[in-house]
Amino acid sequence: DADVTQTPRNRITKTGKRIMLECSQTKGHDRMYWYRQDPGLGLRLIYYSFDVKDINKGEISDGYSVSRQAQAKFSLSLESAIPNQTALYFCATSLGPGEKLFFGSGTQLSVL
Amino acid sequence: EDQVTQSPEALRLQEGESSSLNCSYTVSGLRGLFWYRQDPGKGPEFLFTLYSAGEEKEKERLKATLTKKESFLHITAPKPEDSATYLCAVHDSKLTFGKGITLSVRP
Repeated sequence: DADVTQTPRNRITKTGKRIMLECSQTKGHDRMYWYRQDPGLGLRLIYYSFDVKDINKGEISDGYSVSRQAQAKFSLSLESAIPNQTALYFCATSLGPGEKLFFGSGTQLSVL
Repeated sequence: EDQVTQSPEALRLQEGESSSLNCSYTVSGLRGLFWYRQDPGKGPEFLFTLYSAGEEKEKERLKATLTKKESFLHITAPKPEDSATYLCAVHDSKLTFGKGITLSVRP
């Protein structure tokens, strides 16, 4: 089984819909992250969490929210999806500051 | 503003044709430079971390090197299974990713 699991793998939704992407991990890491990847733009940080009570905005947090339900679970929500949120979304974990990231397999989201 | 630039954007090699991928960076205080490999439809997978100029790390056909301004990922005698996108990321006060280099190795 994968150490970092994302669901769903693919999602098509309509403009204005609320959508949640889920991430769970079995690595026992406190630090979890949400990134989006767009062609030609690379990976950009949306939100990150260093423990259950700690949530921080990344460089592109507008239009997104997160919830850290437990050490192992970190979900990303789009309250009202818009087409420019169409992207590949990755959840990642790390053991500590400056440590390597472990990524999930990604969720391809399309907003029509 | 911190910048991470990877070049070339894409590289096509013949099997066995060695080459290098470049990652140049401008950060105020480097705490680490990371290389990841990403296959289509998958998340990035960690390859190496380099911390100081002059450091080198190797894994199979890959060798990563670091200077004060750039890092190289050298690929020796590549095989088709080395085809992937290679990402560089630089850590100072935050982690910044480059846009990646797509490598294709023809049999």
